[in-house]
Amino acid sequence: GQNIDQPTEMTATEGAIVQINCTYQTSGFNGLFWYQQHAGEAPTFLSYNVLDGLEEKGRFSSFLSRSKGYSYLLLKELQMKDSASYLCAVLDSNYQLIWGAGTKLIIKP
Amino acid sequence: EADIYQTPRYLVIGTGKKITLECSQTMGHDKMYWYQQDPGMELHLIHYSYGVNSTEKGDLSSESTVSRIRTEHFPLTLESARPSHTSQYLCASSGGALELPEQFFGPGTRLTVL
Repeated sequence: GQNIDQPTEMTATEGAIVQINCTYQTSGFNGLFWYQQHAGEAPTFLSYNVLDGLEEKGRFSSFLSRSKGYSYLLLKELQMKDSASYLCAVLDSNYQLIWGAGTKLIIKP
Repeated sequence: EADIYQTPRYLVIGTGKKITLECSQTMGHDKMYWYQQDPGMELHLIHYSYGVNSTEKGDLSSESTVSRIRTEHFPLTLESARPSHTSQYLCASSGGALELPEQFFGPGTRLTVL
């Protein structure tokens, strides 16, 4: 079966750095997405990785290792507005998005 | 800025009613999707379409139906709503082979069935 695992909840301090991990087992791989979702709102796109390595975009970076079935999202200089759920999703061999349950990130002052 | 719209944003109805949730996008995307999401839970794909007159069921068993008569429009219909249908319904779209396969989401419809 297809499976995506990420921690249910994480807590971090404003101004700090946090890393949210995602491991996956899917039938085929055509890329991995990270989305941000604030409570009661729709997901918004953060990053897309299809090749191994680190992609940096401002305060957010995403890393992929295809051989390990592993990705992480790194958030630097945390702000209170970063409190949200972060969803990991993999595009499988049928180009369907397989979604993780999301990691709820709580930022404390 | 993604241009994908859903109406209504909120809907409270009684059991047994027929309802249609509307979704439209102005990006010319071929692919459109309907997801169901309960609070704090993962997204479940209920229907998708890869183009006009093409519709498929997703992983989540659903008593809903969809149609795709026009590229920009992908409505979801519940013939007889039940309390178990209470959830958030999210519509999304994505572009063609030459575009990043990112899905753009509408704002969602929060449905409550009494």
